[in-house]
Amino acid sequence: DSGVTQTPKHLITATGQRVTLRCSPRSGDLSVYWYQQSLDQGLQFLIQYYNGEERAKGNILERFSAQQFPDLHSELNLSSLELGDSALYFCASSVGQGVRSEQFFGPGTRLTVL
Amino acid sequence: SQELEQSPQSLIVQEGKNLTINCTSSKTLYGLYWYKQKYGEGLIFLMMLQKGGEEKSHEKITAKLDEKKQQSSLHITASQPSHAGIYLCGAYGGSGNTGKLIFGQGTTLQVKP
Repeated sequence: DSGVTQTPKHLITATGQRVTLRCSPRSGDLSVYWYQQSLDQGLQFLIQYYNGEERAKGNILERFSAQQFPDLHSELNLSSLELGDSALYFCASSVGQGVRSEQFFGPGTRLTVL
Repeated sequence: SQELEQSPQSLIVQEGKNLTINCTSSKTLYGLYWYKQKYGEGLIFLMMLQKGGEEKSHEKITAKLDEKKQQSSLHITASQPSHAGIYLCGAYGGSGNTGKLIFGQGTTLQVKP
Protein backbone atom coordinates (compact mmCIF):
# COMPACT_ATOMS: atom_id res chain seq x y z
CA ASP A 1 0.00 0.00 0.00
CA SER A 2 1.60 3.25 -1.21
CA GLY A 3 -0.50 5.51 1.02
CA VAL A 4 -2.09 7.23 -2.00
CA THR A 5 -5.82 6.67 -2.21
CA GLN A 6 -8.05 7.05 -5.24
CA THR A 7 -11.80 6.88 -5.59
CA PRO A 8 -13.74 5.43 -7.19
CA LYS A 9 -11.95 2.23 -8.15
CA HIS A 10 -14.17 1.67 -11.17
CA LEU A 11 -16.38 4.04 -13.12
CA ILE A 12 -18.67 3.18 -16.00
CA THR A 13 -20.38 5.98 -17.83
CA ALA A 14 -21.71 7.00 -21.22
CA THR A 15 -20.30 9.22 -23.93
CA GLY A 16 -20.91 12.89 -23.40
CA GLN A 17 -21.02 12.60 -19.63
CA ARG A 18 -18.80 14.22 -17.02
CA VAL A 19 -16.99 12.45 -14.18
CA THR A 20 -14.77 13.42 -11.27
CA LEU A 21 -11.88 11.31 -10.02
CA ARG A 22 -10.54 11.92 -6.55
CA CYS A 23 -7.07 11.47 -5.10
CA SER A 24 -5.69 11.80 -1.59
CA PRO A 25 -1.89 12.00 -1.45
CA ARG A 26 0.34 10.38 1.14
CA SER A 27 0.53 12.24 4.40
CA GLY A 28 3.09 15.02 4.08
CA ASP A 29 3.27 14.97 0.28
CA LEU A 30 2.70 18.33 -1.39
CA SER A 31 2.80 17.28 -5.05
CA VAL A 32 0.03 15.43 -6.82
CA TYR A 33 0.35 14.06 -10.33
CA TRP A 34 -2.24 12.61 -12.70
CA TYR A 35 -1.37 10.02 -15.32
CA GLN A 36 -3.43 8.18 -17.90
CA GLN A 37 -2.67 4.61 -18.94
CA SER A 38 -4.19 3.09 -22.04
CA LEU A 39 -3.24 0.13 -24.20
CA ASP A 40 -2.34 2.21 -27.24
CA GLN A 41 -0.69 5.22 -25.57
CA GLY A 42 0.91 3.61 -22.54
CA LEU A 43 1.38 5.62 -19.35
CA GLN A 44 1.19 9.35 -20.01
CA PHE A 45 1.64 12.34 -17.75
CA LEU A 46 -1.35 14.66 -17.58
CA ILE A 47 -0.72 17.33 -14.95
CA GLN A 48 1.12 18.13 -11.72
CA TYR A 49 0.07 20.29 -8.79
CA TYR A 50 2.33 21.40 -5.98
CA ASN A 51 0.81 22.84 -2.83
CA GLY A 52 -2.29 23.96 -4.66
CA GLU A 53 -0.64 25.41 -7.75
CA GLU A 54 -0.26 23.91 -11.19
CA ARG A 55 3.41 23.07 -11.85
CA ALA A 56 3.51 21.13 -15.08
CA LYS A 57 1.18 20.12 -17.85
CA GLY A 58 1.40 17.25 -20.27
CA ASN A 59 -0.83 16.36 -23.19
CA ILE A 60 -3.97 16.94 -21.19
CA LEU A 61 -7.09 17.50 -23.27
CA GLU A 62 -9.03 20.74 -22.92
CA ARG A 63 -12.03 18.66 -21.83
CA PHE A 64 -10.01 17.58 -18.79
CA SER A 65 -9.26 19.79 -15.82
CA ALA A 66 -7.81 19.29 -12.39
CA GLN A 67 -7.30 21.10 -9.15
CA GLN A 68 -5.61 20.62 -5.81
CA PHE A 69 -7.46 21.77 -2.74
CA PRO A 70 -6.11 23.38 0.47
CA ASP A 71 -6.16 19.99 2.21
CA LEU A 72 -3.97 18.79 -0.69
CA HIS A 73 -6.39 16.27 -2.14
CA SER A 74 -6.89 16.57 -5.86
CA GLU A 75 -9.67 16.02 -8.34
CA LEU A 76 -9.49 15.30 -12.04
CA ASN A 77 -12.58 16.31 -13.98
CA LEU A 78 -13.28 14.70 -17.33
CA SER A 79 -16.09 16.12 -19.42
CA SER A 80 -17.77 15.42 -22.78
CA LEU A 81 -16.43 11.91 -22.47
CA GLU A 82 -15.53 9.95 -25.56
CA LEU A 83 -14.95 6.23 -26.05
CA GLY A 84 -11.24 6.92 -26.33
CA ASP A 85 -11.13 8.30 -22.81
CA SER A 86 -11.55 4.78 -21.43
CA ALA A 87 -8.35 4.13 -19.52
CA LEU A 88 -6.76 3.67 -16.13
CA TYR A 89 -6.20 6.99 -14.40
CA PHE A 90 -3.48 7.11 -11.79
CA CYS A 91 -2.70 9.66 -9.19
CA ALA A 92 0.79 9.85 -7.71
CA SER A 93 2.23 12.00 -4.95
CA SER A 94 5.63 13.14 -3.76
CA VAL A 95 7.06 15.32 -1.05
CA GLY A 96 8.77 17.79 -3.36
CA GLN A 97 8.00 19.18 -6.77
CA GLY A 98 11.05 18.08 -8.73
CA VAL A 99 12.02 14.85 -10.39
CA ARG A 100 14.36 13.88 -7.56
CA SER A 101 11.37 13.48 -5.26
CA GLU A 102 10.12 9.90 -5.40
CA GLN A 103 6.64 9.48 -6.78
CA PHE A 104 4.27 6.94 -5.24
CA PHE A 105 1.26 5.81 -7.20
CA GLY A 106 -2.27 5.09 -6.11
CA PRO A 107 -4.23 2.00 -7.19
CA GLY A 108 -5.91 3.84 -10.04
CA THR A 109 -9.44 4.47 -11.27
CA ARG A 110 -10.57 2.38 -14.21
CA LEU A 111 -12.84 4.48 -16.41
CA THR A 112 -15.02 2.78 -18.99
CA VAL A 113 -16.93 4.98 -21.41
CA LEU A 114 -19.73 3.18 -23.25
CA SER B 1 10.57 15.12 -27.19
CA GLN B 2 12.28 12.49 -25.08
CA GLU B 3 11.40 8.85 -25.54
CA LEU B 4 12.19 5.78 -23.50
CA GLU B 5 12.51 2.41 -25.16
CA GLN B 6 12.44 -0.79 -23.15
CA SER B 7 13.76 -4.13 -24.28
CA PRO B 8 12.68 -6.77 -24.45
CA GLN B 9 8.95 -6.05 -24.70
CA SER B 10 8.18 -9.39 -23.08
CA LEU B 11 10.13 -12.12 -21.39
CA ILE B 12 9.37 -15.65 -20.24
CA VAL B 13 11.91 -17.25 -17.94
CA GLN B 14 12.12 -20.39 -15.88
CA GLU B 15 12.02 -19.92 -12.13
CA GLY B 16 15.53 -19.53 -10.76
CA LYS B 17 16.97 -17.94 -13.90
CA ASN B 18 18.51 -14.49 -14.05
CA LEU B 19 17.24 -11.82 -16.41
CA THR B 20 17.92 -8.24 -17.51
CA ILE B 21 15.57 -5.53 -18.76
CA ASN B 22 16.98 -2.45 -20.48
CA CYS B 23 15.65 1.07 -20.75
CA THR B 24 17.24 3.42 -23.30
CA SER B 25 16.57 7.12 -23.52
CA SER B 26 16.66 9.30 -26.64
CA LYS B 27 18.04 12.17 -24.54
CA THR B 28 20.23 12.73 -21.49
CA LEU B 29 18.85 11.06 -18.41
CA TYR B 30 18.30 13.15 -15.29
CA GLY B 31 17.18 10.45 -12.96
CA LEU B 32 15.54 7.15 -13.78
CA TYR B 33 12.72 5.37 -12.00
CA TRP B 34 11.81 1.71 -12.06
CA TYR B 35 8.30 0.57 -11.22
CA LYS B 36 6.53 -2.78 -11.23
CA GLN B 37 2.88 -3.17 -12.13
CA LYS B 38 0.54 -6.10 -11.87
CA TYR B 39 -1.86 -6.02 -14.80
CA GLY B 40 -4.62 -3.45 -14.21
CA GLU B 41 -3.24 -2.42 -10.84
CA GLY B 42 -1.17 0.43 -9.47
CA LEU B 43 2.56 0.96 -9.92
CA ILE B 44 4.87 -0.20 -7.16
CA PHE B 45 7.98 1.93 -6.71
CA LEU B 46 11.16 -0.14 -6.96
CA MET B 47 14.10 2.24 -7.24
CA MET B 48 15.22 5.67 -8.34
CA LEU B 49 18.68 6.26 -9.78
CA GLN B 50 19.99 9.79 -9.89
CA LYS B 51 23.63 9.73 -10.91
CA GLY B 52 25.60 8.09 -13.64
CA GLY B 53 27.18 4.87 -12.45
CA GLU B 54 24.75 4.59 -9.58
CA GLU B 55 23.64 1.11 -8.68
CA LYS B 56 20.90 0.17 -6.25
CA SER B 57 19.55 -3.14 -5.04
CA HIS B 58 16.31 -4.20 -3.46
CA GLU B 59 16.05 -7.85 -2.48
CA LYS B 60 17.01 -9.71 -5.66
CA ILE B 61 16.57 -6.77 -8.01
CA THR B 62 19.50 -4.55 -9.01
CA ALA B 63 19.32 -1.47 -11.19
CA LYS B 64 22.16 0.53 -12.75
CA LEU B 65 22.31 3.86 -14.55
CA ASP B 66 24.77 4.45 -17.38
CA GLU B 67 24.55 8.14 -18.20
CA LYS B 68 26.95 7.96 -21.15
CA LYS B 69 24.86 5.32 -22.85
CA GLN B 70 21.66 7.05 -21.74
CA GLN B 71 20.56 3.69 -20.47
CA SER B 72 19.47 1.86 -17.35
CA SER B 73 19.30 -1.85 -16.74
CA LEU B 74 17.25 -3.83 -14.26
CA HIS B 75 18.62 -7.22 -13.29
CA ILE B 76 16.71 -9.90 -11.41
CA THR B 77 18.70 -12.71 -9.84
CA ALA B 78 17.17 -16.14 -9.29
CA SER B 79 13.72 -15.13 -10.52
CA GLN B 80 10.61 -16.24 -8.66
CA PRO B 81 6.92 -16.30 -9.66
CA SER B 82 6.43 -13.24 -7.44
CA HIS B 83 8.63 -11.27 -9.83
CA ALA B 84 6.08 -11.65 -12.62
CA GLY B 85 4.46 -8.46 -13.83
CA ILE B 86 5.09 -5.42 -15.99
CA TYR B 87 8.25 -3.43 -15.40
CA LEU B 88 8.20 0.22 -16.35
CA CYS B 89 11.03 2.69 -16.49
CA GLY B 90 10.31 6.39 -16.11
CA ALA B 91 12.47 9.45 -16.57
CA TYR B 92 12.27 13.19 -16.21
CA GLY B 93 10.49 14.54 -19.26
CA GLY B 94 10.00 18.22 -18.52
CA SER B 95 11.84 21.45 -18.01
CA GLY B 96 12.40 23.36 -14.83
CA ASN B 97 11.76 22.03 -11.36
CA THR B 98 8.86 19.71 -12.03
CA GLY B 99 8.21 16.04 -11.54
CA LYS B 100 6.86 15.30 -15.01
CA LEU B 101 7.79 11.73 -15.86
CA ILE B 102 7.69 9.97 -19.20
CA PHE B 103 7.56 6.20 -19.29
CA GLY B 104 8.70 3.37 -21.48
CA GLN B 105 6.14 1.02 -22.95
CA GLY B 106 6.85 -1.62 -20.32
CA THR B 107 8.37 -5.11 -20.24
CA THR B 108 6.06 -7.98 -19.37
CA LEU B 109 7.77 -10.70 -17.36
CA GLN B 110 6.42 -14.20 -16.88
CA VAL B 111 8.20 -16.62 -14.57
CA LYS B 112 7.42 -20.28 -15.07
CA PRO B 113 7.52 -22.42 -11.91
